[in-house]
Amino acid sequence: QKEVEQNSGPLSVPEGAIASLNCTYSDRGSQSFFWYRQYSGKSPELIMSIYSNGDKEDGRFTAQLNKASQYVSLLIRDSQPSDSATYLCAAYSGGGADGLTFGKGTHLIIQP
Amino acid sequence: GAGVSQTPSNKVTEKGKYVELRCDPISGHTALYWYRQSLGQGPEFLIYFQGTGAADDSGLPNDRFFAVRPEGSVSTLKIQRTERGDSAVYLCASSPNGGAGGYTFGSGTRLTVV
Repeated sequence: QKEVEQNSGPLSVPEGAIASLNCTYSDRGSQSFFWYRQYSGKSPELIMSIYSNGDKEDGRFTAQLNKASQYVSLLIRDSQPSDSATYLCAAYSGGGADGLTFGKGTHLIIQP
Repeated sequence: GAGVSQTPSNKVTEKGKYVELRCDPISGHTALYWYRQSLGQGPEFLIYFQGTGAADDSGLPNDRFFAVRPEGSVSTLKIQRTERGDSAVYLCASSPNGGAGGYTFGSGTRLTVV
């Protein structure tokens, strides 16, 4: 059973600080990892993807991957109130099953 | 189209009725996925199409659920004899090259079975 685990939160971070979101996955064969942002009542929006160990930066977002530890994280620098949302971590394992496995999401609140 | 389009956006139906949910993927995207999301949960995989065929339907919860994509574009998710536990947001996603690169979700259909 492939699983992706996230702390559901809520995670409360002051405006301007760094928000750190974490995720672990069970399938060592997972190849690609994604972070989706979901505002209340809306559908998930892809914000970051990462495929190899290390860091990947895109604007205020940095995704980190450690395959040995089966750990993925998302850092949001200079957090803004508009970053308040649920962040979903997803893993892709390929093979016959092409779907992504999602975690339950972490609810992030940026306090003005 | 410019994005993944799902209709209807909301559907309320009585227990035991039949419903159809429609998904129109991004033009040219061969991979299409259906997910179900319950409150407080992440999206749960239901079925994946590559072209016209269902490449993986392992996520369909039981035989009341069925999906088709006859011409390799629009897909319809069909639910027979609906139950209150089927109430959820049903999300459709499409991708040009499978799941490895992630994919784009539609706005979803909120199904409520009363």
